[in-house]
Amino acid sequence: DVVMTQSPLSLPVTLGQSASISCRSSQSLVYSDGNTYLNWFQQRPGQSPRRLIYKVSNRDSGVPDRFSGSGSGTDFTLKISRVEAEDVGIYYCMQGTHWPLTFGGGTKVEIK
Amino acid sequence: EVQLVESGGGLVQPGGSLRLSCAASGFTFSNYAMSWVRQAPGKGLEWVSIISGGAGSTFYADSVKGRFTISRDNSKTTLYLQMSSLRAEDTAIYYCAKTPASTSYSTFDLWGQGTMVTVSS
Repeated sequence: DVVMTQSPLSLPVTLGQSASISCRSSQSLVYSDGNTYLNWFQQRPGQSPRRLIYKVSNRDSGVPDRFSGSGSGTDFTLKISRVEAEDVGIYYCMQGTHWPLTFGGGTKVEIK
Repeated sequence: EVQLVESGGGLVQPGGSLRLSCAASGFTFSNYAMSWVRQAPGKGLEWVSIISGGAGSTFYADSVKGRFTISRDNSKTTLYLQMSSLRAEDTAIYYCAKTPASTSYSTFDLWGQGTMVTVSS
């Protein structure tokens, strides 16, 4: 199975500052069709997950442009610019290139 | 409104069975592959199973293969997960999730609110 490793585990951030979450895969996530199926999900406290980013850098409708995804191959980053209180929660990366589908362990974003 | 509503969770003894349902609305259900993802208490997300839009293809995580069966009734716009031989480690919130296409298995663009399954004597 492809192992998705996120860091850090916990990320205290000052309101208005930026935050970066790393996600590394144990194998390349480039699929035979040329796409890289790396997703980012946000799970706010007490809520179900919500997709933020798909195929590395494509932002979902309604997701603030403060969220951006980047990376390639096995190394990916989610950046939150100008963190707001509503950004508190756990962020998961997920790969959709290889079976079985696998998630990272999550990064908890909290306000300092 | 586009939404997914899970039901059927509850307390079940080890070795028992349970069937979860996920009622979909607001989109053409048969056009999209659907999946189950679970989250043990205080833990991360784990993909469980997925079924194509036409129900011709199904896939399972090794941890549930042979014990869980995913199915769908497109006429009722409902997804199911039949769980048997349940173990304590199956205790989790079970989420229903939609994919962007009939045979797309790479991402989930809509999630339900989840239903809790507790396996305990």
